[in-house]
Amino acid sequence: NAGVTQTPKFQVLKTGQSMTLQCAQDMNHEYMSWYRQDPGMGLRLIHYSVGAGITDQGEVPNGYNVSRSTTEDFPLRLLSAAPSQTSVYFCASSYRLQGSSGANVLTFGAGSRLTVL
Amino acid sequence: AQSVSQHNHHVILSEAASLELGCNYSYGGTVNLFWYVQYPGQHLQLLLKYFSGDPLVKGIKGFEAEFIKSKFSFNLRKPSVQWSDTAEYFCAVNERGYQKVTFGTGTKLQVIP
Repeated sequence: NAGVTQTPKFQVLKTGQSMTLQCAQDMNHEYMSWYRQDPGMGLRLIHYSVGAGITDQGEVPNGYNVSRSTTEDFPLRLLSAAPSQTSVYFCASSYRLQGSSGANVLTFGAGSRLTVL
Repeated sequence: AQSVSQHNHHVILSEAASLELGCNYSYGGTVNLFWYVQYPGQHLQLLLKYFSGDPLVKGIKGFEAEFIKSKFSFNLRKPSVQWSDTAEYFCAVNERGYQKVTFGTGTKLQVIP
C-alpha cells in the first residue's frame, strides 16, 4: 500500500497564480483532510471531507477550494496564490477504530512545500 | 470551538533526562486524545492515543501519556530520552462523534548527546 500520496513535493508560485495540490489514498478511508503547517502555529485545518461528495471548511479555508469526487482523491486548489499561503501542506486520511466512539487516527502524507513569491 | 494548548514550544534535554510535555484542551465534552511526532524531514506519525479505559496509555518507543479529565490534560512522558527522540511533538483532540481533529502548536524537542 502506498498510503497517502501528495504531489508535488515542492512548488514555487508567483502571486496571483493558481495551482492544485494533489492527494490520493489507497486505504479506502472515508475521511480526508488538508492541514497547513506554519512555524509556531502547529497544524491548522483548511478543509475536510467525510466521504465522496461531501466537504466542509476547517479553521483557515479562505483562498482554498476542495472537491471529493472519489473516495481516493482530495485535491486542494489555490485560487489566486498569496505570499501568506507560503507553507507546508499536509493531506491526511483516516478510518474509525472499532468500538472507539469515533476515534480518528490520521495517516499523513509526506507534505507539499509551497512558496509564493 | 475546541482548542489545544501546548505551553512548551522548545525543550532542550540531555540524553537520559526525563521528559514531560504538557497538553491541555478546552472542550468539556467527551474527547479522543492523540500525540503525533514529526521526526526531522519526515511526516507526522501517531505516537499514542487515548479514547477510553485506563487513563495511562503507552505508545511506541517508550512514550506514555496520562489523561487527567479533571485537569483537561494529556501530558506526554518518557523516563529517559535518547538523541533519536529529537523531533516535534503535537498533541491533538477529536470530539467524540465528529471526525475533525484539532492540533496544538507543537513542541520541538532537542536532545543533546
